[in-house]
Amino acid sequence: GDSVTQMEGPVTLSEEAFLTINCTYTATGYPSLFWYVQYPGEGLQLLLKATKADDKGSNKGFEATYRKETTSFHLEKGSVQVSDSAVYFCALSSISNFGNEKLTFGTGTRLTIIP
Amino acid sequence: DAGVIQSPRHEVTEMGQEVTLRCKPISGHDYLFWYRQTMMRGLELLIYFNNNVPIDDSGMPEDRFSAKMPNASFSTLKIQPSEPRDSAVYFCASSPDGGTQYFGPGTRLLVL
Repeated sequence: GDSVTQMEGPVTLSEEAFLTINCTYTATGYPSLFWYVQYPGEGLQLLLKATKADDKGSNKGFEATYRKETTSFHLEKGSVQVSDSAVYFCALSSISNFGNEKLTFGTGTRLTIIP
Repeated sequence: DAGVIQSPRHEVTEMGQEVTLRCKPISGHDYLFWYRQTMMRGLELLIYFNNNVPIDDSGMPEDRFSAKMPNASFSTLKIQPSEPRDSAVYFCASSPDGGTQYFGPGTRLLVL
């Protein structure tokens, strides 16, 4: 079945450091790919998404490119801030056995940025 | 739009008691999802609805769990009887098309 594998956490970086959180996937067909972010005490929020190969999703300085050849969707940010501290989830959307779209989430990567 | 609304935000109960969690999805969204999040198991999909009809409940852990969606603007997740291992954060999410999902703030459940 479909699956998402993302970088084990936790990840701790200093403010203004470069961030990469790796995400690879296994899926049949051509799924859409997502990054969700969960701030402390809150629900998940959509951060960015890409719907086809070579698409780049971007938001709030974060970027991820849909790489079909490497089945990857790595999350990057050039200069992180303390406010980026959160848990990041990679996910893919595919057609379920019931004919509907469903999301498959990775296990999440906890990011802590220190001043 | 107010987003997905969940109540209560926190619930503390004793083992054996019935617990009912509530969710109001975003208006116009045809899909509604219930998730459970724990440190040990991460984020688990429990059940989802399309147009108020349950589509896939294979993630519901056991018969003590049940979910209903009587209309397009309301859903409940019930645990009866509750057990300490049910302690978790329960999220409701809605979606216009089953793809991008919009999550509520969650209900933090503690069963003593």
